[in-house]
Amino acid sequence: GALVYQYPRRTICKSGTSMRMECQAVGFQATSVAWYRQSPQKTFELIALSTVNSAIKYEQNFTQEKFPISHPNLSFSSMTVLNAYLEDRGLYLCGARVSLGGLEQYFGPGTRLTVL
Amino acid sequence: GDSVTQTEGLVTLTEGLPVMLNCTYQTIYSNPFLFWYVQHLNESPRLLLKSFTDNKRTEHQGFHATLHKSSSSFHLQKSSAQLSDSALYYCALSHNNNNAPRFGAGTKLSVKP
Repeated sequence: GALVYQYPRRTICKSGTSMRMECQAVGFQATSVAWYRQSPQKTFELIALSTVNSAIKYEQNFTQEKFPISHPNLSFSSMTVLNAYLEDRGLYLCGARVSLGGLEQYFGPGTRLTVL
Repeated sequence: GDSVTQTEGLVTLTEGLPVMLNCTYQTIYSNPFLFWYVQHLNESPRLLLKSFTDNKRTEHQGFHATLHKSSSSFHLQKSSAQLSDSALYYCALSHNNNNAPRFGAGTKLSVKP
């Protein structure tokens, strides 16, 4: 079955520092990976959609300068939160889309970011 | 751009009563894909239902939904709520491979004995 791993599961960083999170698809090839942030109020924000061999599409209010993403192959993606501040806290979810499948996404367990 | 509107906030039900969580959407595209995801406490969202066929009922794990393009709706229903159905439910919309699903604000379902 389709599995998505994310690392780390939890992280704490000081305000103004950066942290990197990883997303790994196991057992399938992910044609695309979408990064979301789930706020403490549980709303979902789409950060960006990353498709191998295509430019990464960032949503309004999210930029490459703040959330650089690397997507080198069909099973791995990483995103960094640069200069993290309090408003960046939340659960960062990676959703991987199965190649040749429907448009649904399989989510990893998320990386919970706490900013002090 | 695309948007999804769900029943807001918290829905509290007594076990055994029917469940109906509303979802409507807006998109300029004629072939939307609609999804319902369920997220239990301390877990990641899990796909519950999906549909892209107009007026066709889709079912899974006792839940069902029908995409109605005429009313831009994809309401989630279940005939009899169970305690284990307590969770966050998200409706999501996509329309092609170049766009990630957009989620509604989520509806928290709480089922009481």
